[in-house]
Amino acid sequence: KAGVTQTPRYLIKTRGQQVTLSCSPISGHRSVSWYQQTPGQGLQFLFEYFSETQRNKGNFPGRFSGRQFSNSRSEMNVSTLELGDSALYLCASSFRGEQYFGPGTRLTVT
Amino acid sequence: QKEVEQNSGPLSVPEGAIASLNCTYSDRGSQSFFWYRQYSGKSPELIMFIYSNGDKEDGRFTAQLNKASQYVSLLIRDSQPSDSATYLCAAYSGGGADGLTFGKGTHLIIQP
Repeated sequence: KAGVTQTPRYLIKTRGQQVTLSCSPISGHRSVSWYQQTPGQGLQFLFEYFSETQRNKGNFPGRFSGRQFSNSRSEMNVSTLELGDSALYLCASSFRGEQYFGPGTRLTVT
Repeated sequence: QKEVEQNSGPLSVPEGAIASLNCTYSDRGSQSFFWYRQYSGKSPELIMFIYSNGDKEDGRFTAQLNKASQYVSLLIRDSQPSDSATYLCAAYSGGGADGLTFGKGTHLIIQP
């Protein structure tokens, strides 16, 4: 069974730009979650989508948004990028609490 | 505020010895517990999960859970240099993904 895939793997953007990240979950998994990981804060939960609906949201500003499509693929968008948004963005598909992470997208904001 | 606490390390263990990683959690409603291994620059990989008090063994790995003490541990027997990584502990209290709380991880170094 194929794992979680994320694209792109690396991104460099400048402040003020916006970015869209994509995630395809494990086949059959309907829940997709997004996390931000930084050295200082560790893994922080952004939001979760289930059957095209946002089910949960973490404590992030409205610049961070997402959506899920009928095939369970999900996208995450960050608008008006700030330097502090530089991080590893991880997508996970889950089943009964078990999270299976994709390889991540390394975003650098300059 | 649900919290999962881990010693950040680094924890240095000689090759072939037992590595012991510990974690405590604050939410008594936590139902299941997970250990993830994360190599530098890579994403976390699920290696063990445990739901019931006691021990659960999988190859060289043993997870231990004590709900009364709100304590979870991971033992790695016959440690190998390839086990050098950051180990994340997570506690799940049900519901969706926001019910999963991660610790900040313990950096383990296996010395050849």
